[in-house]
Amino acid sequence: QSALTQPASVSGSPGQSITISCTGSRSDIGNHNLVSWYQQFPGKAPKLMISEISRRPSGVSSRFSASKSGDTASLTISALQAEDEADYYCASYAGSNTFIFGGGTKLTVL
Amino acid sequence: QLQMQESGPGLVKPSETLSLTCTVSGGSLTTEDYWWVWIRQPPGKGLEWIVSIFYDGATHYTPSLESRATTSVDTFNDQFSLRLHSVTAADTAVYYCARQIGRGRWSFDTWGRGTLVTVSS
Repeated sequence: QSALTQPASVSGSPGQSITISCTGSRSDIGNHNLVSWYQQFPGKAPKLMISEISRRPSGVSSRFSASKSGDTASLTISALQAEDEADYYCASYAGSNTFIFGGGTKLTVL
Repeated sequence: QLQMQESGPGLVKPSETLSLTCTVSGGSLTTEDYWWVWIRQPPGKGLEWIVSIFYDGATHYTPSLESRATTSVDTFNDQFSLRLHSVTAADTAVYYCARQIGRGRWSFDTWGRGTLVTVSS
């Protein structure tokens, strides 16, 4: 099992939109609608932001949205705010009752 | 509101066994709706799922650690544990316990604060 592929870093200015990609394979993202996204601040535990490709848990801002196409999932943050600066991780069911994370993307708000 | 707290030694010697416990409060481990998991994060690196355990003891392990990891559940005390044998420096990480939504949905919706375990002599 190899980690899902995410860009190491992305950046954007306040008010802009950014998209973080998460590329897997037919074994994971491509064959299962079970991608989730997590936000992590330095020294803190991750927080669930998106489940099942595009479902937002209660309390998560509607500025966060996500989708999937083929073997790639994407997280979009619109109307970027300084408080969004964090690390973001995708995760997917990988078959045979196993789960896999992406390598993480550091979001910088310029 | 459910809370989760990891506990255990912060320093383990190489070749020895890492032992951690997760205590759940504000809820019960005995539920058909959730699994209970261990996830780790080496310093400055990404997340790695280790194992999921159900209240009845059913388990799923990541293949790369299955030969060295053991997990168990204590429903009476609402605790579950992780033991990782024959540790090396590569096992140095923040270890998180978390709750995993079951019934085929699989995301990790509640996390402990994490505990740093350093493997060093």
